[in-house]
Amino acid sequence: QVQLVESGGGVVQPGGSLRLSCSASGFTFSSYGMHWVRQAPGKGLEWVSFIPYDGNNKYYADSVKGRFTISRDNSKNTLYLQVNSLRPEDTAVYYCAKDRVPYSGGWHPPDYWGQGILVTVSS
Amino acid sequence: QSALTQPASVSGSPGQSITITCTGTSSDVGRYNYVSWYQQHPGKAPNLMIYDVTQRPSGVSNRFSGSKSGNTASLTISGLQAEDEAHYYCSSYTSSSTWVFGGGTKLTVL
Repeated sequence: QVQLVESGGGVVQPGGSLRLSCSASGFTFSSYGMHWVRQAPGKGLEWVSFIPYDGNNKYYADSVKGRFTISRDNSKNTLYLQVNSLRPEDTAVYYCAKDRVPYSGGWHPPDYWGQGILVTVSS
Repeated sequence: QSALTQPASVSGSPGQSITITCTGTSSDVGRYNYVSWYQQHPGKAPNLMIYDVTQRPSGVSNRFSGSKSGNTASLTISGLQAEDEAHYYCSSYTSSSTWVFGGGTKLTVL
């Protein structure tokens, strides 16, 4: 079965950086685009970024553009999110999620989600 | 990338039907049939309930159905059950090649 396990979260000071990882199993990772979605404490879902199966044409929400970088290593079945210049409003649970359809350009919604990893930005 | 508009809360009694609306713009909901709905129980990851406006993933009850008219999509849950109590989020692909979520609706089963 599909499993997505996030890691790399924690407490970081404003202006700091982290690299989030998402280890995937149970499906052919190299065939599927992947999303990052976040949820601030007690708030709704916010889409963050998408990377296609081949790692080209990455997409970002305006709120993170220029600060966050999505990437993937298909040889390691792992998705990454480099988060830089962190702000208190970036505090959230970060979920990685698998695209529903293989080889798509991001217009299909995520179907399977990890359990999320908490990032707290605080001094 | 403004969030889609959902009612903050809806409620219904067991066995009844409820509808949650999701209003976007001509750049997202109104432009594409890539509207989906997620159910989220407290402390859990979201679960995909509806995709492509009307389609149900395998394993999702047929009590859940979706529709769209213009810039507004809707999720209807018929035969309400206690386990349906959760937050529900709509989402849509946008003309900027991004995704946008609604603010979420808390469903209370009375």
